Amino acid sequence: GDSVTQTEGLVTLTEGLPVMLNCTYQTIYSNPFLFWYVQHLNESPRLLLKSFTDNKRTEHQGFHATLHKSSSSFHLQKSSAQLSDSALYYCALSDWQGGRALIFGTGTTVSVSP
Amino acid sequence: EAAVTQSPRNKVAVTGGKVTLSCNQTNNHNNMYWYRQDTGHGLRLIHYSYGAGSTEKGDIPDGYKASRPSQENFSLILELATPSQTSVYFCASGDAPGGNSGNTLYFGEGSRLIVV
Repeated sequence: GDSVTQTEGLVTLTEGLPVMLNCTYQTIYSNPFLFWYVQHLNESPRLLLKSFTDNKRTEHQGFHATLHKSSSSFHLQKSSAQLSDSALYYCALSDWQGGRALIFGTGTTVSVSP
Repeated sequence: EAAVTQSPRNKVAVTGGKVTLSCNQTNNHNNMYWYRQDTGHGLRLIHYSYGAGSTEKGDIPDGYKASRPSQENFSLILELATPSQTSVYFCASGDAPGGNSGNTLYFGEGSRLIVV
């Protein structure tokens, strides 16, 4: 079945260093839609960025990701982490046309220290 | 701004009791979803709905029922609550498929349920 894999459960880093969170997926969808959601402590998940276009970089709030269908990946990156980036990050998968429910990965907690 | 509200926000229930979690959305979205969030498991889909009167089973529906009496309201029902259902439950609504939306979800604030 369809699935999303996030290999890191916890990422700890120092402010100012780059961030990269891994996301790979398996799907039968011919047109997958990939998402990154962010959830700060005691808040609900909210959309960070999304893409369905192969090999096109998508950016929002200093984060960026590129969907690579050849490798089934949608890694999240940021050049310089801030303390406010400390949060739980979810990668998620849907299909573009069918409106199927999102399938989420297990999430990666990012902890940024001064 | 999308608006999804859940009630109750916090609930302590006894084993074997009935629990109803309610969700209301003012986005006029057709699709609504119930997820539970547990450390190490992420967000897992329990039930979802494509519109009033419809409910569909998600990935972990056992022990849960759902009801969608109207476009705006979607409830999750635990007929016989068990301690394994202790979790944080999120309701979400989603806009139409296709276009640039890709079924983007808008989440409620979450309902924390403890079953003792």
